Amino acid sequence: EAGVTQSPTHLIKTRGQQATLRCSPISGHTSVYWYQQALGLGLQFLLWYDEGEERNRGNFPPRFSGRQFPNYSSELNVNALELEDSALYLCASSLGRLRSPLHFGNGTRLTVT
Amino acid sequence: DQQVKQNSPSLSVQEGRISILNCDYTNSMFDYFLWYKKYPAEGPTFLISISSIKDKNEDGRFTVFLNKSAKHLSLHIVPSQPGDSAVYFCAASEEGNKLVFGAGTILRVKS
Repeated sequence: EAGVTQSPTHLIKTRGQQATLRCSPISGHTSVYWYQQALGLGLQFLLWYDEGEERNRGNFPPRFSGRQFPNYSSELNVNALELEDSALYLCASSLGRLRSPLHFGNGTRLTVT
Repeated sequence: DQQVKQNSPSLSVQEGRISILNCDYTNSMFDYFLWYKKYPAEGPTFLISISSIKDKNEDGRFTVFLNKSAKHLSLHIVPSQPGDSAVYFCAASEEGNKLVFGAGTILRVKS
């Protein structure tokens, strides 16, 4: 069974640009989550999508947005990049049922210069 | 406001001995708790979970204990192996809502 896949692995952008990160969930999983892990910090919740709808949003500014497609894959967009957006962005998927664990991809390392 | 806290940034244990990783939480509505392991350059890997109706769950060398009155959970690894060296995150959720993660504990198992 293929795991959660994220692309690209690394992304280098300049301050003010936009970044698009992509995620394909495990087959059969309907929920997709995005987390940010900045250097030295834990995982901070960004967004949760289930069945194409945004279910919850973390304490991040509106320039962080995303969507989930009919095939349950997801995209995270970060507009007007700032230096502090440099982090590892992790996508996870789950079955969408109560108490089903999240399964993570290996992340996209975003560097803003 | 940190709802899930891992107060020990790191832990060093001898191979073969027990590793005990601790986690405290503040939200009494949390009803599902998980532990994840993370190696460098990889995403977190699910290890073990426990729901609030239980106080212990075992899976091989890994056992999670939940003390609801103290709002405390712990992960025991017995016996510890060098391959267990990683960052361990505890996480909690409320009613199927988003997972809230602790800051992680670096475990080093010395051979």
